[in-house]
Amino acid sequence: GAVVSQHPSWVICKSGTSVKIECRSLDFQATTMFWYRQFPKQSLMLMATSNEGSKATYEQGVEKDKFLINHASLTLSTLTVTSAHPEDSSFYICSARDGGSGTGELFFGEGSRLTVL
Amino acid sequence: SQKIEQNSEALNIQEGKTATLTCNYTNYSPAYLQWYRQDPGRGPVFLLLIRENEKEKRKERLKVTFDTTLKQSLFHITASQPADSATYLCALEVNGNQFYFGTGTSLTVIP
Repeated sequence: GAVVSQHPSWVICKSGTSVKIECRSLDFQATTMFWYRQFPKQSLMLMATSNEGSKATYEQGVEKDKFLINHASLTLSTLTVTSAHPEDSSFYICSARDGGSGTGELFFGEGSRLTVL
Repeated sequence: SQKIEQNSEALNIQEGKTATLTCNYTNYSPAYLQWYRQDPGRGPVFLLLIRENEKEKRKERLKVTFDTTLKQSLFHITASQPADSATYLCALEVNGNQFYFGTGTSLTVIP
C-alpha cells in the first residue's frame, strides 16, 4: 500500500520554541493531507485539512496562528507548532489519501511525539 | 453536538471467540465509514471501508455492518487471535473530504 512518512518521530523542545513536523507521501501524490492530534488513551482529533497550494482548513477550536500548516507540494505538508508550551505536548499524526487508488482509505504516518519542557 | 462513540473502552475476549465492536454516531451523515487498527505509539492502519448504501462488508476474518437508520456500525473479528489485540477506531467520512474518528476500543484477546 501507499506510504506516508513523518519526521521527526520524537522531539523534545523548550517552552517558547517552534517545532516543525514534516509529512511526506512517498509513492503517491496527495492533494489533501490531514493533521491529527492524539492524547494518551484518547482518539484522534482532527486539527486541520491541508490542501496543496492553498490555505489549510482548521477545525473549530484549533488556533491557526499556533499550528501553522504549509502544503507546498503534492507530496509534502508541514505542521509548525509555534511558541510551544507544555500543554502542546502530544502525539501528532498526519494522513493522506491516495487519490489514484480509489479505495478511499487514509494512509497514516507513524506519528510525531512532541514533548515541550 | 456531533459525537462518535465506540462502546466499551476496553474489551477482553478469549482466543477463538468473535469480538464485536460498536460504533455509534450522532449528527453526522457520513458517505463512508471506515475501521482502523492502531497499535501503541503507531499510526492507524486501514482495515475496511463501507459505503452508506452497503449493509455489510467482509474481508477474511473481518466483517463490518452499517445501519444508517440506527447510525451504527458493528465490527466483528471472528476466530480471534492474540495478534488481534490492539485499539480499533471507526472513522466517518463526511463532506467528501473530512474524516472524524471515534473514541476507540482497546481489544485484548486472551490466549
